[in-house]
Amino acid sequence: SQTIHQWPATLVQPVGSPLSLECTVEGTSNPNLYWYRQAAGRGLQLLFYSVGIGQISSEVPQNLSASRPQDRQFILSSKKLLLSDSGFYLCAWIETGDTGELFFGEGSRLTVL
Amino acid sequence: DAKTTQPPSMDCAEGRAANLPCNHSTISGNEYVYWYRQIHSQGPQYIIHGLKNNETNEMASLIITEDRKSSTLILPHATLRDTAVYYCIVITYKYIFGTGTRLKVLA
Repeated sequence: SQTIHQWPATLVQPVGSPLSLECTVEGTSNPNLYWYRQAAGRGLQLLFYSVGIGQISSEVPQNLSASRPQDRQFILSSKKLLLSDSGFYLCAWIETGDTGELFFGEGSRLTVL
Repeated sequence: DAKTTQPPSMDCAEGRAANLPCNHSTISGNEYVYWYRQIHSQGPQYIIHGLKNNETNEMASLIITEDRKSSTLILPHATLRDTAVYYCIVITYKYIFGTGTRLKVLA
């Protein structure tokens, strides 16, 4: 069966520090992968999506970047965090070409101080 | 940008049907309508989806208008545990969520 893992679950970082959030999917191949962010009290904002290794599409200009070094690995990074980067980050996946259910990870809560 | 619009909030009495509307007037012929809900501090949970016909599962019913420009999610007997933010999204290859409807089920 397919599973999705996301870590770390909670992170407190100072402004200006780097960030790396990791997401891995098991039990599937060539999934479409997504990174979302949810600021406190707000809706889900699509940040990045990827349809294959090395293929990243950015939805909004921001202080973050994403990479997909392996088929089932999706990494969200920042070189220098801003206060506005605080939020709940969710990774999600779906089978390539499918229009079915989107599966979400457990989420990573980032607080930038 | 999200292709759907939903009311920001709704209240529903426990045991009553909750009817959550969604407008998707720019939907194209091959795009599905999906509904998810998010309970605080968790990832969104899939509820139901449809293309043209009305759909029903163990959680809810989905009514899609004939012109497909709007839909309604129906929770037939709302419980306190149905309190959540409900998202209606139109699927292409990008899953773009709007701000959703915050449903509060009242005892």
